[in-house]
Amino acid sequence: GAVVSQHPSWVICKSGTSVKIECRSLDFQATTMFWYRQFPKQSLMLMATSNEGSKATYEQGVEKDKFLINHASLTLSTLTVTSAHPEDSSFYICSARPRLAQTYNEQFFGPGTRLTVL
Amino acid sequence: SQKIEQNSEALNIQEGKTATLTCNYTNYSPAYLQWYRQDPGRGPVFLLLIRENEKEKRKERLKVTFDTTLKQSLFHITASQPADSATYLCALDGTTDSWGKLQFGAGTQVVVTP
Repeated sequence: GAVVSQHPSWVICKSGTSVKIECRSLDFQATTMFWYRQFPKQSLMLMATSNEGSKATYEQGVEKDKFLINHASLTLSTLTVTSAHPEDSSFYICSARPRLAQTYNEQFFGPGTRLTVL
Repeated sequence: SQKIEQNSEALNIQEGKTATLTCNYTNYSPAYLQWYRQDPGRGPVFLLLIRENEKEKRKERLKVTFDTTLKQSLFHITASQPADSATYLCALDGTTDSWGKLQFGAGTQVVVTP
């Protein structure tokens, strides 16, 4: 149980295009999903917190108009990188907190999406 | 400034020995500290959580200690196996007004040789 999937697992796009990444909780409902970004040899950096049915809250320094987050259902959150540039190339990872979490800080991570912008 | 520091150098260890990793933090007051395993090109996998009022936690061959005075956590892998080779991340929780917003260290790579 407690499986989180991401699609696609990797994507290559041209500079200036938009890319959508999906994060799904497969066997549980998630009231909250988190989006992280990880550059090589660096730590995961939290980008935003997504609550079902409400607007995402973004961490300081993360452009909300560039990284659009939609959490339309209890099992799906999407991250759209708009007008992608090479510096957006990174590993994007989501995590999901179960609606019926045993502890408030329980969350499960997806496998990540490797984005390469040419 | 706030920092979470893990040894950036890879830890090379012989099979059967105990691997000990450190996580030091400054200017944080986490209520929880978590350890994750991350394999190349994969998302983190949760291993252990320890609360600020707990000194030690164990799970099978893993042991975590948490010293809030020293602002340090130690992570031990006993009887290490080649399958334990991965990067291990520490993450602080409860540091802001919203639970679950984890602050991660950069991780320490562990290489277990037969």
